[in-house]
Amino acid sequence: RKEVEQDPGPFNVPEGATVAFNCTYSNSASQSFFWYRQDCRKEPKLLMSVYSSGNEDGRFTAQLNRASQYISLLIRDSKLSDSATYLCVVIPSSGGYNKLIFGAGTRLAVHP
Amino acid sequence: GAGVSQSPSNKVTEKGKDVELRCDPISGHTALYWYRQSLGQGLEFLIYFQGNSAPDKSGLPSDRFSAERTGGSVSTLTIQRTQQEDSAVYLCASSLGWVPLSYEQYFGPGTRLTVT
Repeated sequence: RKEVEQDPGPFNVPEGATVAFNCTYSNSASQSFFWYRQDCRKEPKLLMSVYSSGNEDGRFTAQLNRASQYISLLIRDSKLSDSATYLCVVIPSSGGYNKLIFGAGTRLAVHP
Repeated sequence: GAGVSQSPSNKVTEKGKDVELRCDPISGHTALYWYRQSLGQGLEFLIYFQGNSAPDKSGLPSDRFSAERTGGSVSTLTIQRTQQEDSAVYLCASSLGWVPLSYEQYFGPGTRLTVT
C-alpha cells in the first residue's frame, strides 16, 4: 500500500462547480499535511497547509480526519485557472524531519 | 527575490553515460531536497540535506545515484551509468529548515532527463 494515495482523476468540471478531492495516508503517526498545486510541466507550489480543525483560504477549504486517516480539499466556484494537478503531501512523523511524502496527484480540468 | 534554480533544464544522454544535475537553492535556506517525477507519477523523494548534518539518502534508488552539497549551498546530483528507467524530471527544492509550521518547500523548475 502506498503511503499517500489519491484518486488520479481527471475531474472534469464546469466553471462555477464545487469539487472535492480526498487523499488517504497510511501512517497514523503523520503530523503535518499540505496541498500543493502543480501546473502542467511546472514545479509544484504550496497551495495550503491542512490544520486539525480545518481551514479555509478563499474558495479553498482543507479538512483533516485523523480517525479515518484522510485529508480533503474542497474548491468552490471553480475557475478555469484552477485547472492543475493537486498533490496531497504528508510529513510522516514529528521527529524533527522535513521528509515530505507526495501523493501522485489528482488532476482537475475546469471547462467553460 | 531569486528562487531555486536548476541546470540544465533539459538533458538528453545515452544509456551508460554519467550525468550531473545542479541545484542552486534560495539563499539562506538550510534544507535542500532532490525528488524525481516520472510521467504521471508523484514526486519520489531521493535525498535530503539539512545544514551540516549527514544527508538522508534513504530515497536513492541505487548506488548509481549520489549527491553532494558544497558549502551548505549548491548541490549536485550525479547519476552514473544511466539507464532508460532513469528518464524523469529531477526536481530540487529548498526550505528554511525544520522550523515548526514552516515546512514550505520551494521547488526549482526541474531538469528533464531523457536517457536514450
